Amino acid sequence: KAGVTQTPRYLIKTRGQQVTLSCSPISGHRSVSWYQQTPGQGLQFLFEYFSETQRNKGNFPGRFSGRQFSNSRSEMNVSTLELGDSALYLCASSLDVQGALRQNTEAFFGQGTRLTVV
Amino acid sequence: SQQGEEDPQALSIQEGENATMNCSYKTSINNLQWYRQNSGRGLVHLILIRSNEREKHSGRLRVTLDTSKKSSSLLITASRAADTASYFCATGAYSGAGSYQLTFGKGTKLSVIP
Repeated sequence: KAGVTQTPRYLIKTRGQQVTLSCSPISGHRSVSWYQQTPGQGLQFLFEYFSETQRNKGNFPGRFSGRQFSNSRSEMNVSTLELGDSALYLCASSLDVQGALRQNTEAFFGQGTRLTVV
Repeated sequence: SQQGEEDPQALSIQEGENATMNCSYKTSINNLQWYRQNSGRGLVHLILIRSNEREKHSGRLRVTLDTSKKSSSLLITASRAADTASYFCATGAYSGAGSYQLTFGKGTKLSVIP
């Protein structure tokens, strides 16, 4: 079974531009989450999508947005890029389960997209 | 925001030795997961321990969880040079909206010297 696929792997953008990153989850996984990793702040939660709806959002400015399509693929967008947005952006997919099964929820990550803003 | 701290921040051992990493967290959880990351690449899922479990094994990995102390440890036995990586613990919890979110520690950088 294919893992989580993120594209592109590397991106270089200029301040003020906008960028779109893509994530294809594991087949059958309908929950997709995005995380930002920087040396200073570590791994931080951006948002989570399920069934094309954003269910949860981390503490990031409105320049960070995302969406999910009917096939569970997700994209995240960052507008008006700043130097501080340089980071590794990671996508995770998981099964959405209910009740006691929730203790077994595993999140699997892609290889990430390395974004450099210059 | 970070859930807690991992200890130590860096660990250097000889091949064949055991490596122990600790993780503390602050809030209630559904489970706790450990991940490995090589040189800023993606996170590789190692093991999950449920909130009602105390210990779990997978190959050379042993994870313990003490919910009363809000802490977990990862033991890698008989380490190999290929185990050199950063290791992260992540607490998993569901929000009221049914969203599952991981909160990560800062990680332990493990170096295994051949």
